[in-house]
Amino acid sequence: AQKVTQAQTEISVVEKEDVTLDCVYETRDTTYYLFWYKQPPSGELVFLIRRNSFDEQNEISGRYSWNFQKSTSSFNFTITASQVVDSAVYFCALSEAGTSNTGKLIFGQGTTLQVKP
Amino acid sequence: DTEVTQTPKHLVMGMTNKKSLKCEQHMGHRAMYWYKQKAKKPPELMFVYSYEKLSINESVPSRFSPECPNSSLLNLHLHALQPEDSALYLCASSQDPADGLGYTFGSGTRLTVV
Repeated sequence: AQKVTQAQTEISVVEKEDVTLDCVYETRDTTYYLFWYKQPPSGELVFLIRRNSFDEQNEISGRYSWNFQKSTSSFNFTITASQVVDSAVYFCALSEAGTSNTGKLIFGQGTTLQVKP
Repeated sequence: DTEVTQTPKHLVMGMTNKKSLKCEQHMGHRAMYWYKQKAKKPPELMFVYSYEKLSINESVPSRFSPECPNSSLLNLHLHALQPEDSALYLCASSQDPADGLGYTFGSGTRLTVV
């Protein structure tokens, strides 16, 4: 069965600190996709990144970076020099791939990040 | 247009009312989804439409009735809801359910059942 675990329920940092959000996943599929979404208080789920299981290259986008390691089934997300606007709930999610894919996203429980000024 | 638009943004309804939630996208996506999100919980899938056909129903009670009139539009018809159905209802779309490309969520409808 597929499962996503975000062990950190809440994280509080002071502005300009770096912070890493952990994500561990379980799946029997060899082909799958991993996602990170940001959900601010307004409620919208904002897409941050999609990564397929064959691409283990780490990715950097501005202050955001992602570390994908299949050996440990982890897909961690780091925010460098955090800002107050980064305060939100962050979800890691998993979906199967290929013709059997239903399109269903399996979400972790989410990590609430609070960045204090 | 890279958005999924949901209306209304807020809805309060009584347990005997009938109402509908609307979702629209003009990205040419062929898969559309309804998710339900309770407070402080992750979204949970309710329905998947693939190429305008219902492909997944996650054992959702019949008081929720989805409809996909065309490839750009997805509705969720509500009837005889319970207070525990109060939640944020999120619509999403993707290019195809097989690859998850462009998986985009709308801003949601906050539903309160009184």
